[in-house]
Amino acid sequence: EAGVAQSPRYKIIEKRQSVAFWCNPISGHATLYWYQQILGQGPKLLIQFQNNGVVDDSQLPKDRFSAERLKGVDSTLKIQPAKLEDSAVYLCASRLSGGLETQYFGPGTRLLVL
Amino acid sequence: GENVEQHPSTLSVQEGDSAVIKCTYSDSASNYFPWYKQELGKRPQLIIDIRSNVGEKKDQRIAVTLNKTAKHFSLHITETQPEDSAVYFCAAKAPWGGGYNKLIFGAGTRLAVHP
Repeated sequence: EAGVAQSPRYKIIEKRQSVAFWCNPISGHATLYWYQQILGQGPKLLIQFQNNGVVDDSQLPKDRFSAERLKGVDSTLKIQPAKLEDSAVYLCASRLSGGLETQYFGPGTRLLVL
Repeated sequence: GENVEQHPSTLSVQEGDSAVIKCTYSDSASNYFPWYKQELGKRPQLIIDIRSNVGEKKDQRIAVTLNKTAKHFSLHITETQPEDSAVYFCAAKAPWGGGYNKLIFGAGTRLAVHP
């Protein structure tokens, strides 16, 4: 079974620039999550999709972050404009749903904002 | 909302010794508690999980215990090996709010196993 795929793996941008991350979940997984992991901390949920609908975006800084999952499969997370404090690893995870709890993580995108 | 505290932040043991990592959670309604292992530069991987209707679960050298009354759960690794060196995260599932299956993570424990 192929795992969760993410790209790019690394990104360096200057503050105020824009950046986008892509995630391809495990085939058949209806639930998709985006997490932000700041160095030395645990992952923090940014947004959760069920199929192509947003279930929870309460911790997404909506003035600069946006995410979509148009066809209920792949998802993109965008930051515009980026700030220095956005430097982190952005992890995508997916879950089969239907009562199965396990979330499977992708390798993450490491973002450095200069 | 749910809050998960994890201790210690770093743990150093000799190969063959046991390691214990403890987490406390705040929401007594939380009902699912996974543990993830994250090696340097790699993705978090689930190593064991426990539900609130179970007090203990084992899988070879690792075990998790849950005390619902005290609202804490622990990861136990026996006969540690150098390849156990990683950052370990606990998490609790918050059943409230607009999102279901929402995991709240602890800050992580960096485990170093010395040969």
